[in-house]
Amino acid sequence: DARVTQTPRHKVTEMGQEVTMRCQPILGHNTVFWYRQTMMQGLELLAYFRNRAPLDDSGMPKDRFSAEMPDATLATLKIQPSEPRDSAVYFCASGLVHRGILHSYNEQFFGPGTRLTVL
Amino acid sequence: GDSVTQMEGPVTLSEEAFLTINCTYTATGYPSLFWYVQYPGEGLQLLLKATKADDKGSNKGFEATYRKETTSFHLEKGSVQVSDSAVYFCAQGGNTGKLIFGQGTTLQVKP
Repeated sequence: DARVTQTPRHKVTEMGQEVTMRCQPILGHNTVFWYRQTMMQGLELLAYFRNRAPLDDSGMPKDRFSAEMPDATLATLKIQPSEPRDSAVYFCASGLVHRGILHSYNEQFFGPGTRLTVL
Repeated sequence: GDSVTQMEGPVTLSEEAFLTINCTYTATGYPSLFWYVQYPGEGLQLLLKATKADDKGSNKGFEATYRKETTSFHLEKGSVQVSDSAVYFCAQGGNTGKLIFGQGTTLQVKP
């Protein structure tokens, strides 16, 4: 049963510390998404990648957040320095997008999330 | 721009009641439409989908029909169970693979 995995599941850190969250997409998927979920803002798209190249990171605060895909099996989201307002659940999702087709089968598979608390 | 609007929650029902969660969308093209469900402490899971007008998606007793004329994709279930308590998200997707989500609707089912 293929699943998206995320580590760590929970992270508590102090303001100013660096936080790295990792995601392993489903093997064969070519698109990876990072979302943030809070009570106030709901589900926000931070960034996404296609074939490891960043397509859109406009939802991400550029001064402190960075997202990368070092290889096809690993996506990372880094916050440096972290702030209390970054406390949220961060989800990774992966999918397979068929380009050039009018109706993309763009189902996304979500990981279990990383619950981040910045004190 | 493209968007998805869901009815506000929470929706509170008794077990075996009929469920409707309204969802409407605005889109410049012909998106695919989805319902995702999030159980407490978990990520979102795809519940059902429809890729073109008049398609009906169904799963686990839930149904939704893609209505192009009313730009709607309302979620329905004939008889809810306590285990259906969760947050439900309506979403649309285009050729980029990117999904636009609604704000989510919390469903609470009481025994």
